[in-house]
Amino acid sequence: EVQLVEAGGGLIQPGGSLRLSCAASGFTVSSIYMSWVRQAPGKGLEWVSVIYSGGSTYYADSVKGRFTISRDNSKNTLYLQMNSLRVEDTAVYYCAGGGSTVTGGFDPWGQGTLVTVSS
Amino acid sequence: AIRMTQSPSSLSASTGDRVTITCRASQGISSYLAWYQQKPGKAPKLLIYAASTLQSGVPSRFSGSGSGTDFTLTISCLQSEDFATYYCQHYYSYPLTFGGGTKVEIK
Repeated sequence: EVQLVEAGGGLIQPGGSLRLSCAASGFTVSSIYMSWVRQAPGKGLEWVSVIYSGGSTYYADSVKGRFTISRDNSKNTLYLQMNSLRVEDTAVYYCAGGGSTVTGGFDPWGQGTLVTVSS
Repeated sequence: AIRMTQSPSSLSASTGDRVTITCRASQGISSYLAWYQQKPGKAPKLLIYAASTLQSGVPSRFSGSGSGTDFTLTISCLQSEDFATYYCQHYYSYPLTFGGGTKVEIK
């Protein structure tokens, strides 16, 4: 069964750092494009970052220079390192398969992990 | 960045109704468009990609159409399990962006 399970969310003060993880099963994270998508409380969806199977990465302007997407092939796990966190980064963070500009749609999705940035 | 505008932002409908949601891109995106369904507290679910291709396992009452800048999602016969929020998303270029969502509520 294809599954994504996120972890690492929590309450963090502005300016702090947090690393999210997304463990995959049923497929290999290095074989497809993988993304992070977030959703602020009561708001819509916002794409955050993608990592290509070849290792190239892209970021939304809102997180560029602060967030880093990576993966550990040996653990079949995707990561999002979030530094210099701001109140406006508060959201549920989902990992998802996809994020290509050629083949469409995000699928599958994890269940999400909540990040709250507050003093 | 390409802006995706959905309309309406919400609608009320009854079971059995035909529902149409519109998504407009701020520039041409060919057919690089996906639609998602999201229920409260749950992750989004991919319904349609390439503007009109149904994702495996999605009921055939869902359909998508359009190309260029104007797209529609149609639910031909609304079922109780279809009450949810729907989002469009382009994948023409980075940054990938979503529409603001359309909440389909029970009349």
